[in-house]
Amino acid sequence: LAKTTQPISMDSYEGQEVNITCSHNNIATNDYITWYQQFPSQGPRFIIQGYKTKVTNEVASLFIPADRKSSTLSLPRVSLSDTAVYYCLVGDGPAGTALIFGKGTTLSVSS
Amino acid sequence: DVKVTQSSRYLVKRTGEKVFLECVQDMDHENMFWYRQDPGLGLRLIYFSYDVKMKEKGDIPEGYSVSREKKERFSLILESASTNQTSMYLCASTREVNQPQHFGDGTRLSIL
Repeated sequence: LAKTTQPISMDSYEGQEVNITCSHNNIATNDYITWYQQFPSQGPRFIIQGYKTKVTNEVASLFIPADRKSSTLSLPRVSLSDTAVYYCLVGDGPAGTALIFGKGTTLSVSS
Repeated sequence: DVKVTQSSRYLVKRTGEKVFLECVQDMDHENMFWYRQDPGLGLRLIYFSYDVKMKEKGDIPEGYSVSREKKERFSLILESASTNQTSMYLCASTREVNQPQHFGDGTRLSIL
């Protein structure tokens, strides 16, 4: 099973771009890369998912290099409300078995 | 929007009690999951189900069982609660394994 490695924490200021990198050296051919956001006392919320190259939606971008051994979540112009824990997951296959949540990255945004 | 509802936000039980945590989703999803979340450990998968009456063990199934009698409902059972099962429990569902999981807001369970 592919395991992910992320920084434990990151700090930023309002208006800056934040990039969180996730390593997944053992990613399998069929694995997708998915990012979640979690606020205190809430369940994780889906942000973005990709397989290769770049994916962009209204809240974030996901950059995936050709070897797919890492990925970078990019949050443009963060605000205080982006303070949360961000999880990177890789997985495919039978329901749930390959979806391993790591410890996540705690992003703190200050004014 | 998908709605995953967990029956209780907070629950306090005593050691040795049988505890039921209920989860209901309203989007006809095949796959449902139970996780526990502890400080510094992230989310750990307890059990999941990919169909009615089907269940599979996750990473930490010991001390737990599950029930899925109807597609929309997935129950987590603590057969004999112990203090080390004090945790935040999160339920999730998804239609296909490659699709994002939708989570409930969790049940914070305290075992005294």
